[in-house]
Amino acid sequence: EPEVTQTPSHQVTQMGQEVILRCVPISNHLYFYWYRQILGQKVEFLVSFYNNEISEKSEIFDDQFSVERPDGSNFTLKIRSTKLEDSAMYFCASIRGRTAYEQYFGPGTRLTVT
Amino acid sequence: DAKTTQPPSMDCAEGRAANLPCNHSTISGNEYVYWYRQIHSQGPQYIIHGLKNNETNEMASLIITEDRKSSTLILPHATLRDTAVYYCIALPHTGANSKLTFGKGITLSVRP
Repeated sequence: EPEVTQTPSHQVTQMGQEVILRCVPISNHLYFYWYRQILGQKVEFLVSFYNNEISEKSEIFDDQFSVERPDGSNFTLKIRSTKLEDSAMYFCASIRGRTAYEQYFGPGTRLTVT
Repeated sequence: DAKTTQPPSMDCAEGRAANLPCNHSTISGNEYVYWYRQIHSQGPQYIIHGLKNNETNEMASLIITEDRKSSTLILPHATLRDTAVYYCIALPHTGANSKLTFGKGITLSVRP
């Protein structure tokens, strides 16, 4: 069964450093998402992406965040200057098309900012 | 999107049916009820969704009351691997631009 993959599984970085989290969505999917989950808290929507553009973003997704689909397979989330409060699990998700129901989530990247 | 409320936790014995309730009294006519689950910090996993009719798939059944103000997710024969946080989410089926808004969910513990 096709699945969403994410790398790395765990990233440790120092405050102020830039990180790039990578996702490979399912190959025929067209819509992509990033969510995050701070330890012990709810899963929160960050951003949705379609046709090489951001469709919607949350308040969390400020100027420190950016997303990109640099080629036909990868979908990346960049955090320009990490803060301690960016420590969280980051999940990528994708959905096949406009009439599809099911979002497929990746296993997540645990980001630890020290 | 309509607010949903779920009890914080429940448990059931392995092999028995797990009935997970959800209230969504402010749900509007175009909003579907979706269920996802999250097993121990893994990525959330879609289970099932419905509008007004009862639905069944290989994972679960979804029973929606006639007034659509509440629903129940049924795992017919719970296993230890079903221990997870289960989220009930109401949202319009606008297809791909529907971001998921997760609440705290209900933690299901399946005991041997």
